[in-house]
Amino acid sequence: QQQVKQSPQSLIVQKGGISIINCAYENTAFDYFPWYQQFPGKGPALLIAIRPDVSEKKEGRFTISFNKSAKQFSLHIMDSQPGDSATYFCAASFRDDKIIFGKGTRLHILP
Amino acid sequence: KAGVTQTPRYLIKTRGQQVTLSCSPISGHRSVSWYQQTPGQGLQFLFEYFSETQRNKGNFPGRFSGRQFSNSRSEMNVSTLELGDSALYLCASSLEGGGIYEQYFGPGTRLTVT
Repeated sequence: QQQVKQSPQSLIVQKGGISIINCAYENTAFDYFPWYQQFPGKGPALLIAIRPDVSEKKEGRFTISFNKSAKQFSLHIMDSQPGDSATYFCAASFRDDKIIFGKGTRLHILP
Repeated sequence: KAGVTQTPRYLIKTRGQQVTLSCSPISGHRSVSWYQQTPGQGLQFLFEYFSETQRNKGNFPGRFSGRQFSNSRSEMNVSTLELGDSALYLCASSLEGGGIYEQYFGPGTRLTVT
């Protein structure tokens, strides 16, 4: 019940395309769903986050879509660029308590 | 503002030894969390400290411990090292009340146990 399942494990997208990463959770008590971006040799950086009372949140080229009934949320990267090549982690947490991360998606954008 | 700093960046230890890792949070941040990152298990929460008190703890054995000082700097200790402890250990800090919601990660300490 504490798991966050992330897919795909790896993703290759052409420059200018849309990258889509999906996550699913079980625990309906989760109230915060962030996405992190990690470059090699660096720590994860918070990219965008959403609360379950909102179905979509957009920041620049990054959009989170949230489906509460399906217990799924996804990250869309529009107009993907080579600089977006990184590992992306979804996560979920509740009551400002411990956070559970997905296993990560290694994204590669072809130039 | 300077980001979260972690020292050392790389460390090689022998099985059975103990190790102490250090984390300096962003100035003004009072919450510090620690994570273990491995290829197999991914990112796993170790514990969180706020105002020198451990506020949350993940599912790790008692060999993993930590503390926080009055200046919010934090240390993590692993005793009786095992090969499976080889990992990237990440520290993250956040503002008072931010908890895990608005975390800023450091670059991590790469620990190798031989």
